Amino acid sequence: GESVGLHLPTLSVQEGDNSIINCAYSNSASDYFIWYKQESGKGPQFIIDIRSNMDKRQGQRVTVLLNKTVKHLSLQIAATQPGDSAVYFCAETLSGGYNKLIFGAGTRLAVHP
Amino acid sequence: DTGVSQDPRHKITKRGQNVTFRCDPISEHNRLYWYRQTLGQGPEFLTYFQNEAQLEKSRLLSDRFSAERPKGSFSTLEIQRTEQGDSAMYLCASSFYLGQGGSTDTQYFGPGTRLTVL
Repeated sequence: GESVGLHLPTLSVQEGDNSIINCAYSNSASDYFIWYKQESGKGPQFIIDIRSNMDKRQGQRVTVLLNKTVKHLSLQIAATQPGDSAVYFCAETLSGGYNKLIFGAGTRLAVHP
Repeated sequence: DTGVSQDPRHKITKRGQNVTFRCDPISEHNRLYWYRQTLGQGPEFLTYFQNEAQLEKSRLLSDRFSAERPKGSFSTLEIQRTEQGDSAMYLCASSFYLGQGGSTDTQYFGPGTRLTVL
């Protein structure tokens, strides 16, 4: 299958460690943010989202942190597993309209056993 | 499988030919989006539909591109007179929008159609 993100920054972690993937978003007016996971040859898969009225949101093994002051978003993955290896994209949008997603550049996560 | 489906998954064509892609959204999703993704980049918005109405088109969508969603269910994206620069992954996403001010709709993506123009 095709390789997604050939020249993306890569985060390499050991299996079982925690991973932190960072993203800087562009529009200070954006009020809804989403993290997607994309495996090679597949479409983006929804992981977790957060609205701008929140600073933190937790899911299963994942936590998203939002810092609106510096327009920064992070995704924390606990106890990283080999199946977490993929390219991760953050996306921003302005709710209430047609919610066009604006994607960041992406980060490749490589999990080593 | 009740997710978003796209057909074909891969398309190889010669420059100048026309191609058409199909997207079947998640049942009862009223919004449908098309994005384009090139290697090493995040998806870029092309256009979106709410039910059968095409409500927004990106400047990326040249006159050679046309999209339809005739009955508010599946959608097609056609590219006429393909160029090598059209080579990309074409992604479809769907969502259910409540229509209330300030509400958000989570977009779920299909597997994409990989287009290669020779």
